[in-house]
Amino acid sequence: EVQLEQSAAEVGKPGESLKISCKGSGYDFSNYWIGWVRLMPGRGLEWMGMIYPRDSDTRYSPSFQGHVTISVDKSINTAFLQWSSLRASDTAIYFCARHDTAAGSVLPDFYYGMDVWGQGTTVTVSS
Amino acid sequence: DIQLTQSPSTLSASVGDRVTITCRASQTISNFLAWYQHKPGQAPKLLICKASTLESGVPSRFSGSGSGTDFSLTISSLQPDDFATYYCQQYYTSSPYTFGQGTKLEIK
Repeated sequence: EVQLEQSAAEVGKPGESLKISCKGSGYDFSNYWIGWVRLMPGRGLEWMGMIYPRDSDTRYSPSFQGHVTISVDKSINTAFLQWSSLRASDTAIYFCARHDTAAGSVLPDFYYGMDVWGQGTTVTVSS
Repeated sequence: DIQLTQSPSTLSASVGDRVTITCRASQTISNFLAWYQHKPGQAPKLLICKASTLESGVPSRFSGSGSGTDFSLTISSLQPDDFATYYCQQYYTSSPYTFGQGTKLEIK
């Protein structure tokens, strides 16, 4: 079964660092982009960025660039989302999702949507 | 960034109703649009890609249409399981991909 398993809920304080994970199984992890999506109450889904495990090519949304880091360890089929300095406004649910593409291409003709999702990781930032 | 505007933001309907949600892009995106369904406490689910291609396993009461800047998702006969929030997503450009703000479909 193709699935993405995310790490457990986290609680942190403003200014602290945090890293959450997303482990893929049941498919060739290296050859599919993994994206991260934020869900905040009242704001809907927001695409944060994605990484291609085969070569670690990473793309960020300008809204999140510089505040989060997306990384991957393909030896353990796991992608990561990390913050070096949490803010209260980072309180949200974070989903990872597999971008279904042909041969890893990001060209729209070869893109078929985010077809497999993790269960979500709740991050709460509070002093 | 390409902006997507969904309407309505909230839609009240009854089981058996036919409903349509629209999604308008700030620039042409050809047919590079997907639709997702999201229920609280669950992961979002891909329903449609390329504006009108139904994902495997998605009931045929769901359909998508449109191209250019105007798109729609139609549910032909609402079932109890369909009450959820629906999002469109453009993938004409990957930096960044963007979602609409969502349409909450609730029971009347």
